[in-house]
Amino acid sequence: DAGVIQSPRHEVTEMGQEVTLRCKPISGHNSLFWYRQTMMRGLELLIYFNNNVPIDDSGMPEDRFSAKMPNASFSTLKIQPSEPRDSAVYFCATSRDSGNTIYFGEGSWLTVV
Amino acid sequence: AQKVTQAQTEISVVEKEDVTLDCVYETRDTTYYLFWYKQPPSGELVFLIRRNSFDEQNEISGRYSWNFQKSTSSFNFTITASQVVDSAVYFCALSEEGSGGYQKVTFGIGTKLQVIP
Repeated sequence: DAGVIQSPRHEVTEMGQEVTLRCKPISGHNSLFWYRQTMMRGLELLIYFNNNVPIDDSGMPEDRFSAKMPNASFSTLKIQPSEPRDSAVYFCATSRDSGNTIYFGEGSWLTVV
Repeated sequence: AQKVTQAQTEISVVEKEDVTLDCVYETRDTTYYLFWYKQPPSGELVFLIRRNSFDEQNEISGRYSWNFQKSTSSFNFTITASQVVDSAVYFCALSEEGSGGYQKVTFGIGTKLQVIP
């Protein structure tokens, strides 16, 4: 079975540009999480979807960040405009129902210069 | 107070030594789940184990073992006869039922383990 698929794996962009990160969850998983990992803050939950509906977006840093899940097979995390402090690894993770194991994608390594 | 506390930020051991990574959690739920993940230098997060709050049996998987004690709210992870390939950051996580019955997952800050050959 394919795991959680994220793209791009690496992105370098200039400050002010729009960044879109993509995630394809494991088939059948109805919970999807976006995490950000930095040295300073560790793993932070940005947003959590259940059955394509955003349940908890309290971790989204500011209005520059937005996330969508138009269907069960796809989610995006968008940063517009990007800033150097957004440089981090962004992980998408999914699980089947509450309490079950969360499986992570390989991460999208974002550098904003 | 943190919900998941990994007090050891970094640990160094010499190869073949045993090492225990500590995890203390805090929750008011009676039903919850605990996890350990490994993040090697390559960066991916690898699932190691999931334990529900009603199962206090210790688990062993090869050189890995886990000790779950509800009385002390701890879920410690021991690596026996450590190897260089065990060098990684290890994360403990707690999954609770948030408002509306949805999953609320909190990760610890991680423990960086370095195994020296």
